Formats: sequence, C-alpha cells, structure tokens
Amino acid sequence: GAVVSQHPSRVICKSGTSVKIECRSLDFQATTMFWYRQFPKQSLMLMATSNEGSKATYEQGVEKDKFLINHASLTLSTLTVTSAHPEDSSFYICSASLAGGPQETQYFGPGTRLLVL
Amino acid sequence: SQQGEEDPQALSIQEGENATMNCSYKTSINNLQWYRQNSGRGLVHLILIRSNEREKHSGRLRVTLDTSKKSSSLLITASRAADTASYFCATSTGTASKLTFGTGTRLQVTL
Repeated sequence: GAVVSQHPSRVICKSGTSVKIECRSLDFQATTMFWYRQFPKQSLMLMATSNEGSKATYEQGVEKDKFLINHASLTLSTLTVTSAHPEDSSFYICSASLAGGPQETQYFGPGTRLLVL
Repeated sequence: SQQGEEDPQALSIQEGENATMNCSYKTSINNLQWYRQNSGRGLVHLILIRSNEREKHSGRLRVTLDTSKKSSSLLITASRAADTASYFCATSTGTASKLTFGTGTRLQVTL
C-alpha cells in the first residue's frame, strides 16, 4: 500500500516551454504533498508543500511563478515548470502524507527527470 | 543550509561487512528518518526513530540517536551487493511534517 506515482518519468523539452509533472497517490488519500528537487549526486531540497484545496507554501528561494503547484484533489498534485531553461534540468521528486495517518510518514514517488535543451 | 550532514560521503565495502553511516543535525527534532535511494530512483523509507528513542532495529538495520550530540547512525550488518545505494537521513521538527534531508552517503558493496 501507500504507492505514489509520477508522470512522466522522463521528459526532454526545449528552452522556453512549460512542463507539467503529475504526482498521484494511488491507493490512499494524501492531505499534503511535497515537491523536492535533486541535482546529480546531491541531496533532496524541498521546494514546496502542497495542501489539497489551498495554495502551496514555497521554500525560501523558490520562485512560485516559475514552479506552479496545483493540488486539486486528495490524490493529485501537479508541478508545472514554466518557461523552462537549462538550469531547471534536474530530478523532481514528490512525496505524500497519508490523510489521517502519522504526518511524519511520507511516501515518495519514483521521480521525474527533466532535461531542458 | 541543509539540516543534516552525513559522513562519510562515500563508502565502499565488501559483501558481508558492516556499513556505518553517520548523520549530524543542527536543531531540535521530533524524529529522524533514514531513506535509501537507488541511482535515479525515488526514495524508500527505511526506519524512523523518535526524539525520545535511543536505538531501533529493523532486520539488518540498526539506528541510534543521540539528541545531546545531535547525531544519528545507521548500521547495516552483513551487507549485500543489493544494499548498494545512497542513504539519506531526514529530520522533522516542530509540528510540521516537512523533512530536511542530509547530504547523503553513497554506499558501494562489492562482491
């Protein structure tokens, strides 16, 4: 149980285009979803916390107009990288907290590798 | 800066040996968790230890927590080639559920 999926798993796009990444909790309802970014051989950096039906809370230094987050339902959150540039190339990982469960437990998706040419 | 720092950054051992990774953090925590990440994949939760706990076991994993030193260790006993991965500690503070990850240790287990 507690499976989180991400789509797509890999995307290559041209500079200036927008890319949408989906994060779904497949067999549970997620009160909160988190978006992380990971550069090669580095750790995960939290970008934003997303609660269903409300605006996301962004970490310091993360541009909310560039990284649009929509958490429309208890099972789906989307991250849109707008006007992507090569420096946005990274591994994006989402996680979800189980609604009603211990908030300390996060279930991670498999990640999405974004390459901006 | 990141909450946790781990050492060593990289560790190479032979199958059957034990692997120990250490994590240090800076502020008071509610709990500390260890995750594993295979190359280019998502994270797998290994174990959670709360601030009032000192030691926890799960299979071949043993985690210790010393809140006075703000440090934790992860011991993997009788390592296997399949244990090759990056290992991250992550801390949770206050009532927020968000995690702050350490820098990670890359473990290589050779046959």
